[in-house]
Amino acid sequence: DAGVIQSPRHEVTEMGQEVTLRCKPISGHNSLFWYRQTMMRGLELLIYFNNNVPIDDSGMPEDRFSAKMPNASFSTLKIQPSEPRDSAVYFCASNIDRGLGYGYTFGSGTRLTVV
Amino acid sequence: SQKIEQNSEALNIQEGKTATLTCNYTNYSPAYLQWYRQDPGRGPVFLLLIRENEKEKRKERLKVTFDTTLKQSLFHITASQPADSATYLCALDNNAGNMLTFGGGTRLMVKP
Repeated sequence: DAGVIQSPRHEVTEMGQEVTLRCKPISGHNSLFWYRQTMMRGLELLIYFNNNVPIDDSGMPEDRFSAKMPNASFSTLKIQPSEPRDSAVYFCASNIDRGLGYGYTFGSGTRLTVV
Repeated sequence: SQKIEQNSEALNIQEGKTATLTCNYTNYSPAYLQWYRQDPGRGPVFLLLIRENEKEKRKERLKVTFDTTLKQSLFHITASQPADSATYLCALDNNAGNMLTFGGGTRLMVKP
C-alpha cells in the first residue's frame, strides 16, 4: 500500500482564493481525519469521518472551511475564501476503528501558504 | 480546562544513553495513549499504543509507561542513536473513541 496520499504537497495562493486539499486514505481503513499543524497551536483535529460520514467537525475553524468524503477512497478539505491565518500544514490521517484504539497513518501533508 | 503537556524544550542527550520523554495530561480520561515520531517535513508516524489497564509496553528499544493516577506517560528510548533525533508526540483519546488529541511534542537531539 502506498500509504495515505495527499495532494498537493505545497500550495501558495492569494488571500480570497478557494483552496482544495485532497486525500486518499489507506484501502480498508474506515476512519479519516483532517488535522492542521502550526508552530503556535500544534496539531489540531479539524474533522473526523467514520464510514464516510462526518462524526465530529467541532474543530473546523469557521464556515470558510468545509470537508467532504464522497466515498471510502477520497476526501477533500476546502477553504473558501482563504486568509493568511490559514497558512499551516494540513495533514490527513486514516485508521481502522474497531473500538479498541488503533494508530493513525498520516499522509505527508500539504503546506499551505496564503499571501 | 483540558491540557496535554510535553516539555517544549529540546532534549539533548549523548548517543548510547537512555532518552526519557514525559507526557502529562489534565482533565482527560483516556482509554489509551499513543506515541508518534515526527521528522521535519513529514507526517507523524505511529510508534506505540498503551491502554489504560496496561502499566508498561515495549517495542525493541522503546518502552512506554502509563500511570492513570499520576496522569502521566513516560517514553523511553534505550541505547539512543543519532537517527532517533526527531520530535516525539503523545496523543490520547478522551473516552470518545477514535479521536486523538495531540500534545505539542518534544524535540529529541541525540549527539554522536
